[in-house]
Amino acid sequence: ETGVTQTPRHLVMGMTNKKSLKCEQHLGHNAMYWYKQSAKKPLELMFVYNFKEQTENNSVPSRFSPECPNSSHLFLHLHTLQPEDSALYLCASSQETGLSEKLFFGSGTQLSVL
Amino acid sequence: KQEVTQIPAALSVPEGENLVLNCSFTDSAIYNLQWFRQDPGKGLTSLLLIQSSQREQTSGRLNASLDKSSGRSTLYIAASQPGDSATYLCAVREGGGGADGLTFGKGTHLIIQP
Repeated sequence: ETGVTQTPRHLVMGMTNKKSLKCEQHLGHNAMYWYKQSAKKPLELMFVYNFKEQTENNSVPSRFSPECPNSSHLFLHLHTLQPEDSALYLCASSQETGLSEKLFFGSGTQLSVL
Repeated sequence: KQEVTQIPAALSVPEGENLVLNCSFTDSAIYNLQWFRQDPGKGLTSLLLIQSSQREQTSGRLNASLDKSSGRSTLYIAASQPGDSATYLCAVREGGGGADGLTFGKGTHLIIQP
């Protein structure tokens, strides 16, 4: 157990649905991240939050909407997704955003868009 | 743009063998390099982190080396065990990459046969 918990573990949704992914970290960290892992592709950074402020949006489509109400919680709101958005979505945290910071990952949410 | 390549993409060896996983990166201006382990459907666990000024790091049966000038890193696993079966990911952090400059390879899928 890494101290980063993601729910749900699996999610199946239609293209017209609205759903949310949740991430909670119990490590006292101040930075949180969303990554996308598609089959046969490297992990892609989506969003970075540091002290609840979004510091990076890696050209992610607007159908993905992040929310960070506090340093311990991170959400990814999904709406009108496409089948190509099916992937493993990983949350990570670190003490802060810095070059020497080690990232701790959750187990991910496996998303299937039908 | 930084690109990280991992060779081989998949590897299957009998238990007890020593093995080497390879990682190469195109831009040698990195801050550090990390090796991660990922079990099926799970998040990433950090194994070793090598700073750009270091040549190697060791943890138990694992040894990671870094040759920054040639853009290469290797992960050496001694006396492999079935429990080592997983996907191994290499990631580099670039100094000028903003809040989170981690660039990942696609990974090496390792199977250790009992």
